[in-house]
Amino acid sequence: GDSVTQMEGPVTLSEEAFLTINCTYTATGYPSLFWYVQYPGEGLQLLLKATKADDKGSNKGFEATYRKETTSFHLEKGSVQVSDSAVYFCALSTPNNAGNMLTFGGGTRLMVKP
Amino acid sequence: NAGVTQTPKFRVLKTGQSMTLLCAQDMNHEYMYWYRQDPGMGLRLIHYSVGEGTTAKGEVPDGYNVSRLKKQNFLLGLESAAPSQTSVYFCASSRTALYGYTFGSGTRLTVV
Repeated sequence: GDSVTQMEGPVTLSEEAFLTINCTYTATGYPSLFWYVQYPGEGLQLLLKATKADDKGSNKGFEATYRKETTSFHLEKGSVQVSDSAVYFCALSTPNNAGNMLTFGGGTRLMVKP
Repeated sequence: NAGVTQTPKFRVLKTGQSMTLLCAQDMNHEYMYWYRQDPGMGLRLIHYSVGEGTTAKGEVPDGYNVSRLKKQNFLLGLESAAPSQTSVYFCASSRTALYGYTFGSGTRLTVV
C-alpha cells in the first residue's frame, strides 16, 4: 500500500536558519504530492503541491521538489521565522484511488526560537 | 467563502452520552472525510463519503457512524461515547485528490 515517512520532530531552529524536513514515500502508481501545515489550534492548510516528477511546489518561501528517482519530496525554506512554528504534514494521492484519499505522514513539529 | 465549517468547536461529554458533529462545506465538493487527531499519532481516517448518500469505513470506524444525506453536509455520530474517543476531530472535503483537501478548524471533544 501507499505510505509516507517523515522525519520525526520536534525540529528546533533559530530564526533565519535554513529548514529541511525530509519526506519519502512509497506508492502504487504515479502520485501527486502535498505539504500541509497546521498552526496551533487550527486545521490543516495546503501549503504546496506537485503533480509530476521534477515539479517544484512553492508558497510563502517554502519549496519542495518532486524527486521520482529518490521517491522524496523534502520541504525547504531558506530563512525561517517564529511564525513558521507549526506541524508540517507530507501527503500523497494516487490516481484511481477509489476514495480519492490522501495518505498522510505522521507530521513534523517545527519550533522556531527568536 | 466559508469553506469547511465544523460545529461545535468544543464539547465535553460524559461516558455513554451521544452526540453528533456537523461538517458543512460550500464548495460543491463530492468527497468528504472525518479524521481524528491524537497526540503523537497524526491523522487517522474514521469514515469518508464519495458522494451524497454514500459512506464508507476508514481506518478507525468503530464506535462512530456517519451520514451524508445532503451533498454539503457530513455528520459524524457517537452513539455511546467512551474516554478513548477523546480527540480532536477534523472534517475535510475535496473535489479531486489532485487539488488536495480543504480542512475545517476542528472539534475538540473530551469524554469524561
